[in-house]
Amino acid sequence: GENVEQHPSTLSVQEGDSAVIKCTYSDSASNYFPWYKQELGKRPQLIIDIRSNVGEKKDQRIAVTLNKTAKHFSLHITETQPEDSAVYFCAASETSYDKVIFGPGTSLSVIP
Amino acid sequence: GAGVSQSPSNKVTEKGKDVELRCDPISGHTALYWYRQSLGQGLEFLIYFQGNSAPDKSGLPSDRFSAERTGGSVSTLTIQRTQQEDSAVYLCASSLGQVANSPLHFGNGTRLTVT
Repeated sequence: GENVEQHPSTLSVQEGDSAVIKCTYSDSASNYFPWYKQELGKRPQLIIDIRSNVGEKKDQRIAVTLNKTAKHFSLHITETQPEDSAVYFCAASETSYDKVIFGPGTSLSVIP
Repeated sequence: GAGVSQSPSNKVTEKGKDVELRCDPISGHTALYWYRQSLGQGLEFLIYFQGNSAPDKSGLPSDRFSAERTGGSVSTLTIQRTQQEDSAVYLCASSLGQVANSPLHFGNGTRLTVT
């Protein structure tokens, strides 16, 4: 079955700097890669996703890149703000409505 | 509209007792997922449903765990003979199902403590 790895497990950046979180997956059949943000004590919420026919997708300060050959995908946050502090989870599935497997998470701290 | 609702929000039980956790998905969502999140850990996949069918039960940790979904709506996760290692937050999520790029909508979870 699918296995998703995520690095780093913790990340601390100064406000205004960029943050990058990287994930790898094992199942070449996976085609859908969402990212979820979980603030302390709250439920995870989707922030951005990418499908396998797209190499990059951007939404304001957030971007995701996908390298299907290498089975890598990454989350990039630019101009980080304190409210970006949270745990970020990458995930993979064959489609958006199949079993969704999450990575172990990255705890991001943005220092004012 | 209403989001995914889980009950109870907190449950404290004695080791060896059975517990039942309930999930009410968003109306019209055909896909329903159960995950387990231990303190400071990731989202461990348990089981998911398409309608009333569970195509993949491979994530259930042991035969003490079972789940069902009736009427394509409410789901219950049952843990028999609870153990202390079952203590965690159990998260339910639902999605539109057969729609591309439909995100998972999570409930607030049930925090289970086994004493």
